[in-house]
Amino acid sequence: AQSVTQPDIHITVSEGASLELRCNYSYGATPYLFWYVQSPGQGLQLLLKYFSGDTLVQGIKGFEAEFKRSQSSFNLRKPSVHWSDAAEYFCAGGGSWGKFQFGAGTQVVVTP
Amino acid sequence: GAGVSQSPSNKVTEKGKDVELRCDPISGHTALYWYRQSLGQGLEFLIYFQGNSAPDKSGLPSDRFSAERTGGSVSTLTIQRTQQEDSAVYLCASSPEGNIQYFGAGTRLSVL
Repeated sequence: AQSVTQPDIHITVSEGASLELRCNYSYGATPYLFWYVQSPGQGLQLLLKYFSGDTLVQGIKGFEAEFKRSQSSFNLRKPSVHWSDAAEYFCAGGGSWGKFQFGAGTQVVVTP
Repeated sequence: GAGVSQSPSNKVTEKGKDVELRCDPISGHTALYWYRQSLGQGLEFLIYFQGNSAPDKSGLPSDRFSAERTGGSVSTLTIQRTQQEDSAVYLCASSPEGNIQYFGAGTRLSVL
């Protein structure tokens, strides 16, 4: 079945340290992939997307993600984390436009 | 511009009552989605509307759940004879073409 998997449920990172969130997908063709962020009590906000082209994608808030077909991965990275990055992060994807699958989410805690 | 608006933001109801949740999508967006997010869980797809096509209802958990989208705009999610397990945050999203989704802040439903 087509799906998106986020292996890490919870990550703790120190402020100023780098962050990498993992996402694996299982779609046959080049998938449509997204990363969203959800702050407490809020809806989801799009950080970045990959449809085709350059495999390194830049997003908002200093985030980037790299599409690696050979590893079926679309990991999210940020070089230096700020306390405001504490939130839940969701990877989403699909094989065609329309209905997408969301991962279970990764909760990020930022320590001083 | 106006984003996706959901009302009410919070709803407390008694077991067995019916509830209606409303979603006002971004003007001009042809696609509309409903998701359920239980405490500490990811997003559970419920239903997807795209233009005038028949909706994809494959995620509705039981026949107590139904949704309508009137005039290609406002959508209402109805839960009949609510149960305690229906307690969750219900998120609505709209999309211009069925790719990037823009989320509302959600309706938190509590069934006592």
